[in-house]
Formats: sequence, structure tokens, C-alpha cells
Amino acid sequence: QVQLVQSGAEVKKPGSSVKVSCKASGGTFSSYAISWVRQAPGQGLEWMGGIIPIFGTANYAQKFQGRVTITADESTSTAYMELSSLRSEDTAVYYCASLAIVKQQLVNWFDPWGQGTLVTVSS
Amino acid sequence: EIVLTQSPATLSLSPGERATLSCRASQSVSSYLAWYQQKPGQAPRLLIYDASNRATGIPARFSGSGSGTDFTLTISSLEPEDFAVYYCQQRSNWPPVFTFGPGTKVDIK
Repeated sequence: QVQLVQSGAEVKKPGSSVKVSCKASGGTFSSYAISWVRQAPGQGLEWMGGIIPIFGTANYAQKFQGRVTITADESTSTAYMELSSLRSEDTAVYYCASLAIVKQQLVNWFDPWGQGTLVTVSS
Repeated sequence: EIVLTQSPATLSLSPGERATLSCRASQSVSSYLAWYQQKPGQAPRLLIYDASNRATGIPARFSGSGSGTDFTLTISSLEPEDFAVYYCQQRSNWPPVFTFGPGTKVDIK
């Protein structure tokens, strides 16, 4: 089964951007879609968007449209999430999570998840 | 956008007791509902997919049921390691958009 390993914690200034990576191993990258889910301190889970690498197309939650960009590099089996115009409310743990593609259909659940990346936005 | 509501927000139980968690969708999601367990400092872990299928390695004390708009996660007899937060999640058809419920915390009474 695929395993996802994310990049390390980041501290950013308000107004700047952050780019988090998620490297897949142990599986065929083209057999998965990757989504990004964030969790603010003490809060619940919030889906931000996702990408299907074999199609190269991403879709985003309406809340993050225009501020988030999700990309994938099949040559390195790595997905990226870039969030711009950071504000303090973006302080959160950001998770990547995979969805298998089975018989050319995307499944409906996330498994497995990356370990999470803490992004702190502070002046 | 489909909204998921979970109840109760907190469930206080003792080890060995039965836990019943509810997830309600604002419109039908067929059987396309998943449940996750999250412990402090850890990533969520898939428990149940497509409403009633246990994920690989999940103990039989976890079961899911329901379809349409009303779903239930049952833990038949709570073990000490089951005290955690549980989230439900659904997916819209296309383009795929995902939403999570607000979570139910199961804590020790």
C-alpha cells in the first residue's frame, strides 16, 4: 500500500506563501488521487482540494479557490499544496491523503494519510 | 454543498460500554460515507468506508450502518484505545468534493 511522507513544519509571515510536499512510496502514483485536508488547533477536518495525477487536473473547495494551488510531479511521486496570502487563521496542521483509483473509478474515502505538516503563520 | 452533522458532540462512557455515534447528511449521500478515528497528535485513521465496510486491520467491534441521510458508527465494547475523536466524511459525485462532519469526542467517564 502507498505511504505518504510530508515535508517538515513551517513558520511563515502573514501575506506570504507556503508550499508543502507529500511524497508517495510503496505504490503506483498513477493509481491514486491526492487530497489536502487541514486542521486548525482544536478544530475539525477541512478538505481543501485534490488532484488526480494521471489527469493532472485539480479541484478545490470553494473557500480556498484562488488561494490554493495543488500540483503533482509523477516523476518523483510527489504532490504539492501551495497556499498564498497567508493569515493567522491559516495556522493549522496540513495533511495529504490518498484516494485509490479502482477500475478507473475514484473511491470515496481517504486512506492512508500523511503524518501532517504544521504551518504556523505569525508576525 | 452537503452538510454533515454529528451527534452527540461528546460521548462520555466507560470501557466495556457500547458507543453509538450518529452522522446525518443534509441530503442523500447514498452509501458513500466513511468514518475516521483521530487521536491527539495523530493523523486520522480510516475505520469504515461505504457506510458499512471495515477498513483493513480494523477490529470487529467497530461497525457502520445506514444509507441515504442517516448513518451510525457503533463500537460494541469500548477498549481503552478507542477513546478518541470520530469524524464522518462524504464525497459528492463529480467533480469530487469532500466534506467532514464536526466530529464526536468519545471520552472516559
